[in-house]
Amino acid sequence: AQKVTQAQTEISVVEKEDVTLDCVYETRDTTYYLFWYKQPPSGELVFLIRRNSFDEQNEISGRYSWNFQKSTSSFNFTITASQVVDSAVYFCALSEPLLGTASKLTFGTGTRLQVTL
Amino acid sequence: NAGVTQTPKFQVLKTGQSMTLQCAQDMNHEYMSWYRQDPGMGLRLIHYSVGAGITDQGEVPNGYNVSRSTTEDFPLRLLSAAPSQTSVYFCASSLTSESSYNEQFFGPGTRLTVL
Repeated sequence: AQKVTQAQTEISVVEKEDVTLDCVYETRDTTYYLFWYKQPPSGELVFLIRRNSFDEQNEISGRYSWNFQKSTSSFNFTITASQVVDSAVYFCALSEPLLGTASKLTFGTGTRLQVTL
Repeated sequence: NAGVTQTPKFQVLKTGQSMTLQCAQDMNHEYMSWYRQDPGMGLRLIHYSVGAGITDQGEVPNGYNVSRSTTEDFPLRLLSAAPSQTSVYFCASSLTSESSYNEQFFGPGTRLTVL
């Protein structure tokens, strides 16, 4: 069975600090996709990134960066120079094939990030 | 495009009442799904559909029914509400293809309280 573990339930940092959110996954599939979603206090789910299992290149988007390491089954997310607007719950998710071409997402339990001044 | 819309945004029910949560998308996505979000448990799949007329159960289907008569709509029915169904419900949609990488677009959520 697929599993996604986000061991950090809550993290508090002071603005401008760097913070890394951990994500460890389990799957028997050789082809899979990993995702990060952000859920701000308003409640909607915002897509941040998608990474497939064959692409282990790190990715950087502004202050956000992602480190995918297949050898340790991890897909960690780093926010550089955090800002108050980064305060949210962050979910890591793993795609799981369903019937035919459909897939479902298995979510971790989320990490609540609180950035204070 | 309105994307994925959900109604209502908030709902309070009494135990035993039934109701339907509405979900619609205007992106011509084949795949639609319902998740529930509970504190400390992330999002869990309730039901999903890979196209009109096709539905299947997810991880936590008990107490819920779905149907998919059109590509656009995917309503979730609570047959006899229970306090354990108090949750935030998200509808999502995506294209289907030969890969499982498609981004799932989520609706704004419905916060349901069952007393």
